[in-house]
Amino acid sequence: SAVISQKPSRDICQRGTSLTIQCQVDSQVTMMFWYRQQPGQSLTLIATANQGSEATYESGFVIDKFPISRPNLTFSTLTVSNMSPEDSSIYLCSVAGTAHQETQYFGPGTRLLVL
Amino acid sequence: RKEVEQDPGPFNVPEGATVAFNCTYSNSASQSFFWYRQDCRKEPKLLMSVYSSGNEDGRFTAQLNRASQYISLLIRDSKLSDSATYLCAVNIYNRGSTLGRLYFGRGTQLTVWP
Repeated sequence: SAVISQKPSRDICQRGTSLTIQCQVDSQVTMMFWYRQQPGQSLTLIATANQGSEATYESGFVIDKFPISRPNLTFSTLTVSNMSPEDSSIYLCSVAGTAHQETQYFGPGTRLLVL
Repeated sequence: RKEVEQDPGPFNVPEGATVAFNCTYSNSASQSFFWYRQDCRKEPKLLMSVYSSGNEDGRFTAQLNRASQYISLLIRDSKLSDSATYLCAVNIYNRGSTLGRLYFGRGTQLTVWP
């Protein structure tokens, strides 16, 4: 499977600020996704990061709040904008389209705490 | 209705026990199925894919029942190291989607005690 890294691994941020999370893969992948996982909860898909075009957002998530970039097939960023304590969560990127096609592999996650 | 429903657990079993988890899915167009394992404060890691004919990997057996729309995971001879949260996932291809998207169950927490 692909090796996926995320930066930062964790952060503590002030209300009203923004944080950009980076996801880097060691090989080209077809699909990249961004998820959120709140304590004790399952994974919620935020959006699919599309290379060269706007991300596809799931219901309840909007571009103004979670702008996403994907400039190439190995890299994506998710920005959490104008943060509030409700944004405290783990943010995970995942990739698909390696040797096992639709199987998704996850990055280590970014733990975000908003004060 | 959620796309994927999963036994909430928690399951607390002694070492050596056999434990089974189930997930049901609502979309009959679901194409592929997976079990992930998530350790505390870690990312989900693929445990195994679930094939129509069922598949086994050591102590782990996954099965798919398309008629009843559920998947299961059986763990035999439980080890302390099996303690984790197990998430089922169902991949559904939507129009315009290259590889579909995964819908995850809420996860079942397993604790194996000595």
